[in-house]
Amino acid sequence: DIQLTQSPSSLSASIGDRVTITCQASQDISNYLNWYQQKAGEAPKLLIYDVSNLETGVPSRFSGSGSGTDFTFTITSLRPEDIATYYCQQYENLPLTFGGGTKVDIK
Amino acid sequence: QVLLVQSGAEVKKPGASVKISCKASGYTFISHAIHWVRQAPGQRPEWMGWINLAYGNTKYSQKFQGRLSLTRDTSASTAYMELSSLRSEDTALYYCARGSLEVPAGAFDIGGQGTMVTVSS
Repeated sequence: DIQLTQSPSSLSASIGDRVTITCQASQDISNYLNWYQQKAGEAPKLLIYDVSNLETGVPSRFSGSGSGTDFTFTITSLRPEDIATYYCQQYENLPLTFGGGTKVDIK
Repeated sequence: QVLLVQSGAEVKKPGASVKISCKASGYTFISHAIHWVRQAPGQRPEWMGWINLAYGNTKYSQKFQGRLSLTRDTSASTAYMELSSLRSEDTALYYCARGSLEVPAGAFDIGGQGTMVTVSS
């Protein structure tokens, strides 16, 4: 199975801060990488697919970049409603796998 | 409004089976795949498999091969997940999730509310 390593596992930031999360794959996954937001008690919500494509309705403060094995997810200006855990997920190979998650809260 | 509504919480004994339903509304049922994902408390999501609702073909994670069955009833706009030979490690929150249009086999855009399955003797 393809392993995804996310860092950091948690972070605290102030409203308006830029937040960056990285995701490293155990092998080349091309651009088959998605990002999800999960709030407590809810299913993961797709934010970005294929590295950098914003899902319909997702605010433009969310963005993604990268290719191959190294990927980055950015929130350009953190808002209170962004408090959640964020996961990367690959679909280069089955099974689909997720990173360990990054818990984002307000400083 | 797109909704996936799952059946209620289950408590099962080791060795038993559980079958969870996922009723879709607000969109054309067969136009999207359905994925099943589970999440143990404090753990990352774990993908179990997906079903093409138009044709009924499935893909399962090797981890669940032989224990997992995904089916659907198109007339009822409902997908089902059945997991057999339950063990304590299967205790988790189980989600159905709609495959995205852009990446139907690789991403999911809407999830159900989750069904808690507890396996305990």
